[in-house]
Amino acid sequence: EDKVVQSPLSLVVHEGDTVTLNCSYEVTNFRSLLWYKQEKKAPTFLFMLTSSGIEKKSGRLSSILDKKELFSILNITATQTGDSAVYLCAPETSGSRLTFGEGTQLTVNP
Amino acid sequence: NAGVMQNPRHLVRRRGQEARLRCSPVKGHSHVYWYRQLPEEGLKFMVYLQKENIIDESGMPKERFSAEFPKEGPSILRIQQVVRGDSAAYFCASSPGKAPLHFGNGTRLTVT
Repeated sequence: EDKVVQSPLSLVVHEGDTVTLNCSYEVTNFRSLLWYKQEKKAPTFLFMLTSSGIEKKSGRLSSILDKKELFSILNITATQTGDSAVYLCAPETSGSRLTFGEGTQLTVNP
Repeated sequence: NAGVMQNPRHLVRRRGQEARLRCSPVKGHSHVYWYRQLPEEGLKFMVYLQKENIIDESGMPKERFSAEFPKEGPSILRIQQVVRGDSAAYFCASSPGKAPLHFGNGTRLTVT
């Protein structure tokens, strides 16, 4: 059975801090790994990673994948209160099916 | 350019009633996925459909649940004879055939 483990499950920081969110996975027919941000409504797409070792960046967010060790990290620098959300990691397998982890609940306090 | 549209946003049903959840994918997307999110849990895959075909329903309970994506009109997730354990947020996502998936805002089903 496909398995995705995210850590930590919950994280509370102050504005300006840097955070690192972890995702490890064991799935069959791996295609890519996706990160989503969920703020009470629809998960919104952040990154899609297909190759090991290549960092993807979008503003203060960045992510990298290690296909040998089967994990990915999501970094957020200079956090803001608007970054408070649940961050979901999801390996994609055949049929573009996504298997989600439980998510990391990030709270950024002013 | 409208994203994935789900309705209703909130649905309350009594035990034993039927729930019908609708999803209109992003224009041009022919692949639809349904996910369920129980309180304090992650999103769980239920079913994957393309126009008029069910591709993978391995995550959907065999009893009481069904899904369709007709040639015309929205995708429908149907739950018959609802029970309290069906209370959850049901998310629909669509894609043109490859990731990433684009998600709707979900339908929150409450069974009383």
